[in-house]
Amino acid sequence: DGGITQSPKYLFRKEGQNVTLSCEQNLNHDAMYWYRQDPGQGLRLIYYSQIVNDFQKGDIAEGYSVSREKKESFPLTVTSAQKNPTAFYLCASSITSAGVEAFFGQGTRLTVV
Amino acid sequence: QQPVQSPQAVILREGEDAVINCSSSKALYSVHWYRQKHGEAPVFLMILLKGGEQKGHEKISASFNEKKQQSSLYLTASQLSYSGTYFCGTESPNSGYALNFGKGTSLLVTP
Repeated sequence: DGGITQSPKYLFRKEGQNVTLSCEQNLNHDAMYWYRQDPGQGLRLIYYSQIVNDFQKGDIAEGYSVSREKKESFPLTVTSAQKNPTAFYLCASSITSAGVEAFFGQGTRLTVV
Repeated sequence: QQPVQSPQAVILREGEDAVINCSSSKALYSVHWYRQKHGEAPVFLMILLKGGEQKGHEKISASFNEKKQQSSLYLTASQLSYSGTYFCGTESPNSGYALNFGKGTSLLVTP
């Protein structure tokens, strides 16, 4: 079955530690996206990538980093510079075109203590 | 800039109708609608493209008025399964084709 997989579902980290969230898709999509979701805030764009080895900052990129070495994979690192990292993180992918559906992973809930 | 959704929340009895609105200060190419259950991935409902089309999905339909930069989602004869948070998303030409989402409308359908 084609789809987009995020792991782990729940993640706990101590303050000051970097943590990497995994996102893998087998839909053959060129475009991939990372969103952060906080209660009452909707989904906010962190980073996006339209092609391998290229990515762009979204609206709230500070404190995050990404890589896109393979078409299937778009990992997100939450660094210690991110002031308030506890949130629900969603990865999505789509074909690179306007007006097409974005497919979402099941999300990773990160809690920093 | 996030599109603005209204209302923020609505409670319905099963069988009642609801309308959720989405407006933008920028010109729109398309509007996407998703529904999300708590702690789960957003589920795609429909896309409306520039041209004023209206789409339907069972008892859920939507309209798009690009002149007014607005879209509305219509839920008729609501079912318990319609409960969740509804998001509209608009494409930003400056962010590839990434969606810019509103803050969501929380819908609760009660028996």
